[in-house]
Amino acid sequence: DIQMTQSPSSLSASVGDTVTITCRASQNINNYFNWYQQKPGKAPELLIYAASSLQSGVPSRFSGTGSGTHFTLTIRSLQPEDFATYYCQQSYRMPQTFGQGTKLEIK
Amino acid sequence: QVQLVQSGAEVKKPGASVKVSCKASGYPFSDYGVSWVRQAPGQGLEWMGWISGYNGNTDFLQKFLGRVSMTRDTSTSTAYMELRSLRYDDTAVYYCARDSGSSLDHWGQGTLVTVSS
Repeated sequence: DIQMTQSPSSLSASVGDTVTITCRASQNINNYFNWYQQKPGKAPELLIYAASSLQSGVPSRFSGTGSGTHFTLTIRSLQPEDFATYYCQQSYRMPQTFGQGTKLEIK
Repeated sequence: QVQLVQSGAEVKKPGASVKVSCKASGYPFSDYGVSWVRQAPGQGLEWMGWISGYNGNTDFLQKFLGRVSMTRDTSTSTAYMELRSLRYDDTAVYYCARDSGSSLDHWGQGTLVTVSS
């Protein structure tokens, strides 16, 4: 199975900050890579697909880069509603696998 | 708009089975697959398996082989996930999600399954 390693596992930041979360795949997954946001008690929501494409309705302060094995999610000018847990996921090969998550907390 | 509506919370005893439904609307059901993802309390996301909306083909995470079934009813645009021989560590929120083949772009609201004696 393809392993997805996210870092950091938790992150503290303030409103207005810019943060970056990284995810590494254990093998080349091209750009079959997605980012999800999950708020407490809610289902995950797709943020970015194909490594860098913004899902409809997602604010432009979110951006994704990367291909192959190394990917990043950047959130610029953090807003209060952005404090959540973020997961990366590969869809290159079954079984689909997720990173362990990054909890973004208010400093 | 695309919606996935799941069945309600369940409480089951160890060794029992649970069947969760996921009713889709707002898109051609047969054009997409459905993936099932679970989340144990305080833990991350675990992909369990996938079913094709087109032909019912399935693919499961190896750890669930022999214990999970995924089916669909195209006449009602509903997908089902049945998990058998439940254990305490199967306690989790179970999600269905529309699988475009490259991402899980719409999710159900989740179904809490509690395994308790």
